[in-house]
Amino acid sequence: IQLIQSPSSVSASVGDSLTITCRASQDIAGWLVWYQQRPGRAPRLLIYAASTLQTGVPARFSGRGSGTLFTLTINTLQPEDFATYYCQHASSFRFTFGPGTKVDIK
Amino acid sequence: QVQLVQSGAEVKNPGASVRISCRSSGNIFSRYYMHWIRQAPGQGLEYMGMTAPTGRQTTSAQRFRDRISMTINMTTTTLFLELRSLTFDDTAMYFCARGGETATVNWFDSWGQGTLVIVTS
Repeated sequence: IQLIQSPSSVSASVGDSLTITCRASQDIAGWLVWYQQRPGRAPRLLIYAASTLQTGVPARFSGRGSGTLFTLTINTLQPEDFATYYCQHASSFRFTFGPGTKVDIK
Repeated sequence: QVQLVQSGAEVKNPGASVRISCRSSGNIFSRYYMHWIRQAPGQGLEYMGMTAPTGRQTTSAQRFRDRISMTINMTTTTLFLELRSLTFDDTAMYFCARGGETATVNWFDSWGQGTLVIVTS
């Protein structure tokens, strides 16, 4: 299963809202995960099972989707949200990451 | 929140092996699936493999299958990754990460800080 993210990069301002898309090459039901990675840091789990917010993640992050199309929305961007975001799927012990979407400051 | 602390950076020659450790602040290795993911400089995340609780079983991505070993020392609560026959393409940051208590939990909720491996002649 391949995961394609769009856009590959986006520029935004503090306070903006933005949506990142992850498309799967075949139906994966709701089995999609989102991570945030700040420069020089390990990835951080944001959302699992497409829409469940990990404990401690701010509510401005939300995930939606099923089947082959998924979205991550960040409302009211904060300075600490400028990072790279990855989607991820697993089935039958095969784990796949999307190529990432870099969000930088306009 | 569990803490995963990895060993320090390594510099290796092509053809050599590298062994990376990942220590847990608690005894999570008896209960959780543990995973290894790497990231080449400026690139995305690449999945390498996983170890079942207690190390009773390991599964690796096809491309690493013949040169990777993943083990657990339950006494010292330390997870190990060994990668053999290194090439320049193995230069990357290597992360350990915690999965779930069952194999159906297909995400990683805690990560080590990463271990940089540089392969150079």
